[in-house]
Amino acid sequence: DAGITQSPRHKVTETGTPVTLRCHQTENHRYMYWYRQDPGHGLRLIHYSYGVKDTDKGEVSDGYSVSRSKTEDFLLTLESATSSQTSVYFCAISNEGLARNEQFFGPGTRLTVL
Amino acid sequence: DAKTTQPPSMDCAEGRAANLPCNHSTISGNEYVYWYRQIHSQGPQYIIHGLKNNETNEMASLIITEDRKSSTLILPHATLRDTAVYYCIVRVGRNSGYALNFGKGTSLLVTP
Repeated sequence: DAGITQSPRHKVTETGTPVTLRCHQTENHRYMYWYRQDPGHGLRLIHYSYGVKDTDKGEVSDGYSVSRSKTEDFLLTLESATSSQTSVYFCAISNEGLARNEQFFGPGTRLTVL
Repeated sequence: DAKTTQPPSMDCAEGRAANLPCNHSTISGNEYVYWYRQIHSQGPQYIIHGLKNNETNEMASLIITEDRKSSTLILPHATLRDTAVYYCIVRVGRNSGYALNFGKGTSLLVTP
């Protein structure tokens, strides 16, 4: 299995509080991604990174920010959590980001915003 | 984006072949077909991908029609551990770092 960890694995927080989720990889892959998954839906892209300090927005980026100061770490921050951000968050990595390259996914973080 | 159409759910008896269809009539000539699966809220797992030719690996086979408008993922001898949601993906976001565009997938239930 690809070396991807996410922390925390579970978190309950209150509306209006800041939350940071961490994705850590040991594979030295260039591309990293944050997706969210809501019940009955597939995964949707929040943000992605194509290198250290190089990030860009995905389909559902409103309310989220990211940072990547090292190859191995990709942080997702909810500046002021809302109940609509209750979801399961998955981090993924890929080697070159090429169309035929597979992505490896982390175990997910279940976030509940009360 | 190219859309995929998959049945929402399918059943398969353990030990039998599971054939999961996917329609992708708007696929472009240089776009790959990918299959991923997600077992009970775990992170999705790559299964196989192909462009034009049929492909086989240790997990599954992928049959792509000659016109590339549809494909079938075949799990040759389904086991209970193959119960999962299977996603057929034909468009990656080149403007989104080649992120995968997931739909709702097919929920496959393998029964004893």
